[in-house]
Amino acid sequence: NAGVTQTPKFQVLKTGQSMTLQCAQDMNHEYMSWYRQDPGMGLRLIHYSVGAGITDQGEVPNGYNVSRSTTEDFPLRLLSAAPSQTSVYFCASSYSTGGDNSPLHFGNGTRLTVT
Amino acid sequence: SQQGEEDPQALSIQEGENATMNCSYKTSINNLQWYRQNSGRGLVHLILIRSNEREKHSGRLRVTLDTSKKSSSLLITASRAADTASYFCATDTLTGANNLFFGTGTRLTVIP
Repeated sequence: NAGVTQTPKFQVLKTGQSMTLQCAQDMNHEYMSWYRQDPGMGLRLIHYSVGAGITDQGEVPNGYNVSRSTTEDFPLRLLSAAPSQTSVYFCASSYSTGGDNSPLHFGNGTRLTVT
Repeated sequence: SQQGEEDPQALSIQEGENATMNCSYKTSINNLQWYRQNSGRGLVHLILIRSNEREKHSGRLRVTLDTSKKSSSLLITASRAADTASYFCATDTLTGANNLFFGTGTRLTVIP
């Protein structure tokens, strides 16, 4: 099993450009989520999904869109990149969608720089 | 709105020594988890402790939870250079989904 795979590993965008960060998992996990990690801020939840066709907003959703057409994939779209979106983005998944809070499995991140 | 805060922010110890990291949180929880992050990598789950548990062990890891003080500690015994990493506590958000609040982390350096 590859676990959680994120692509690309690095990306540089100009302000106003759009792009999609890819996330795929091969563990048949129902729950998937996107976090961003900024220095001194810890990880903050952007969007999450508890199953195909279901998405919801997290703590910092503005400027990002998500969709969940399959169980395996959960892409994150930046609509119009801004320097404030410079960050490291992590995708995570888990077997459980809630309740017992099963451990999250993380990808290795996408480091995004917006100039 | 950050839930967890780790203390200290950074910790440097000699190999073989014990490392203790603390986490404080703000609201009621169902459980608390600890994760580890090596430089340039994703987080890896270490241990989960439920709100009705006071202590839990896993190998060289010992976690305590004091819900009355809204705090937890992670003890790594007999540290190794390979333990060098950042450690994060995470609490559930009571949203009904598997969303977690993460703290800001403790950067542990173990000197060989």
